[in-house]
Amino acid sequence: DIQMTQSPSSLSASVGDRVTITCRASQNIKTYVNWYQQRPGEAPKLLIYVASDLQSGVPSRFRGSGSGTDFTLTISSLQPEDFATYFCQQSYSSSWTFGQGTKVDVK
Amino acid sequence: QVQLVQSGAEVKKPGSSVKVSCKTSRDSFSNYGFSWVRQAPGQGLDWMGQIIPIFNSLMYAPEFQGRVTITADKSTSTAYMELSSLTFEDTAVYYCARGRYRTSSGDIFWYFDLWGRGSQVIVSS
Repeated sequence: DIQMTQSPSSLSASVGDRVTITCRASQNIKTYVNWYQQRPGEAPKLLIYVASDLQSGVPSRFRGSGSGTDFTLTISSLQPEDFATYFCQQSYSSSWTFGQGTKVDVK
Repeated sequence: QVQLVQSGAEVKKPGSSVKVSCKTSRDSFSNYGFSWVRQAPGQGLDWMGQIIPIFNSLMYAPEFQGRVTITADKSTSTAYMELSSLTFEDTAVYYCARGRYRTSSGDIFWYFDLWGRGSQVIVSS
């Protein structure tokens, strides 16, 4: 299986902060990375697909970048509704895997 | 607005099986894949497998191979996931997720653009 390692596992931030979450793949996966947001008690929601494409309806403060093994999700100015857990996911291999998640909470 | 409507909570005994359903509209069913992703309490997301109904194509995660069966009923636009030989560690929320893909230069990029609200499965003696 391809391992997806996110960092940090958690972070504390304030409204208006710029937040960066990193995801590293255990092998080259080109741009086969997607990012999801999960609020407590809710299902995950797609934010970014194919490493950098913004899903329809998702605010432009979310940006994805990277290729190969290193990927980044950036929130340019954190909003109250962005306090949540974020997951990366690879669909390169025939066995798809998620990162362990990054929890963003209030500083 | 298209939705994925999942079946309700289940309580099962160890060693038994559970079958969870995911219903959507006919248009949504025909042109997409349907994956199952589970989340144990306080844990991350584990992909279990995907079916593409139009091709009857299946993929399973190695961790669940032999214990999970994913099927689709085109007549009712419903996908199913059956997990057998349940243990306490199978207690989780099971999500249905619609798989969509984009093609580029021979690559096929899959992603989950729509999720159900989840079905709670509790394994208890």
